[in-house]
Amino acid sequence: NAGVTQTPKFRVLKTGQSMTLLCAQDMNHEYMYWYRQDPGMGLRLIHYSVGEGTTAKGEVPDGYNVSRLKKQNFLLGLESAAPSQTSVYFCASSSFTRGEAFFGQGTRLTVV
Amino acid sequence: TQLLEQSPQFLSIQEGENLTVYCNSSSVFSSLQWYRQEPGEGPVLLVTVVTGGEVKKLKRLTFQFGDARKDSSLHITAAQPGDTGLYLCAGDPQGGSEKLVFGKGTKLTVNP
Repeated sequence: NAGVTQTPKFRVLKTGQSMTLLCAQDMNHEYMYWYRQDPGMGLRLIHYSVGEGTTAKGEVPDGYNVSRLKKQNFLLGLESAAPSQTSVYFCASSSFTRGEAFFGQGTRLTVV
Repeated sequence: TQLLEQSPQFLSIQEGENLTVYCNSSSVFSSLQWYRQEPGEGPVLLVTVVTGGEVKKLKRLTFQFGDARKDSSLHITAAQPGDTGLYLCAGDPQGGSEKLVFGKGTKLTVNP
């Protein structure tokens, strides 16, 4: 099983450009999460979903949008990238709320 | 806000030494999870502790949940270079929440 797969793994954007990060899980998990990880800041929750068709804001949602049209996919969008969004982004899923989180390998995004 | 404070933030030791890292909060958690993250990878769950005072062992790693369920510790005996990584604790806040709370992590380096 692939578990949680994130695409792309690396990306460089210019300020103002848009992009979508894709997260796919094959474990039939209800819950999915998007985090960003920055040095000294730990994992910060951007948005999350408790099931297909639902989304909710996390700790740092500004500048990001998400969609969960299919249970297995959770998309993170940046409409107008800013240098402050340079980070490593992780997607995670879990079978029940606050249960073991399975993480993808991360997407390293640089905004110049 | 339920915060998890991890200490120390950085730890560099020689192979064969013992070490303990801590995860503390002023809030009560229903359970605590410990993850290890290796460079370029996503975090991977090591253990979940649920009962106050609970001790779990995973080979050379010993995890303890505080009696009051506000803190946890991870002790590594005879550390090896393969133990190098970022250790994260994550808590399930008592009282209901749809998401885990993560600490900022302890970055461990074990030198040969």
